Amino acid sequence: GDSVTQTEGPVTLSEGTSLTVNCSYETKQYPTLFWYVQYPGEGPQLLFKVPKANEKGSNRGFEATYNKEATSFHLQKASVQESDSAVYYCALGEGTYQRFGTGTKLQVVP
Amino acid sequence: GGIITQTPKFLIGQEGQKLTLKCQQNFNHDTMYWYRQDSGKGLRLIYYSITENDLQKGDLSEGYDASREKKSSFSLTVTSAQKNEMAVFLCASSPAANTGQLYFGEGSKLTVL
Repeated sequence: GDSVTQTEGPVTLSEGTSLTVNCSYETKQYPTLFWYVQYPGEGPQLLFKVPKANEKGSNRGFEATYNKEATSFHLQKASVQESDSAVYYCALGEGTYQRFGTGTKLQVVP
Repeated sequence: GGIITQTPKFLIGQEGQKLTLKCQQNFNHDTMYWYRQDSGKGLRLIYYSITENDLQKGDLSEGYDASREKKSSFSLTVTSAQKNEMAVFLCASSPAANTGQLYFGEGSKLTVL
């Protein structure tokens, strides 16, 4: 069946360093890929989505490229801030619902 | 804009008890979802509803019932709470049952004593 695997957390980084959260997926279809972010006490919210292979999505300095050949959608940011501390979810959407990864908790320290 | 309201925010129950969580959305979205969030397991789909009076099972539907009484509301019932169970239940909606963005509520935290 379909699945999403992402970097296990927690991940702790110093402010100003770069971030990569790996996301790999398995499916026989042609999904839309999503990154969501969840701050404490809130529900997940969309960071960005990419509906087509080989395209890149970006928002708030985060970006990810839909790599169909490698079945990957890794999240990157060049320079993290303390306000980026949150849980990040990779999700695969096809048909009528979205399937989520296990989430990666990021803590950014000053 | 719109909002998703989940009630109650915190729910404490006893083993074997039947417990109901409610979700209201004012986006006028067709599709609504219930996900369960457990630490280390991410979000897992319990039930979803493509339109009013429709119900579809997700991967985790055993032990749960759901009801979509009207377009704006979607309820989830834990049919028999398990001792020491602790989880957050997230309600979400989307404009249509395709690959659109999900809009989530803040969650309902369940603790079973």
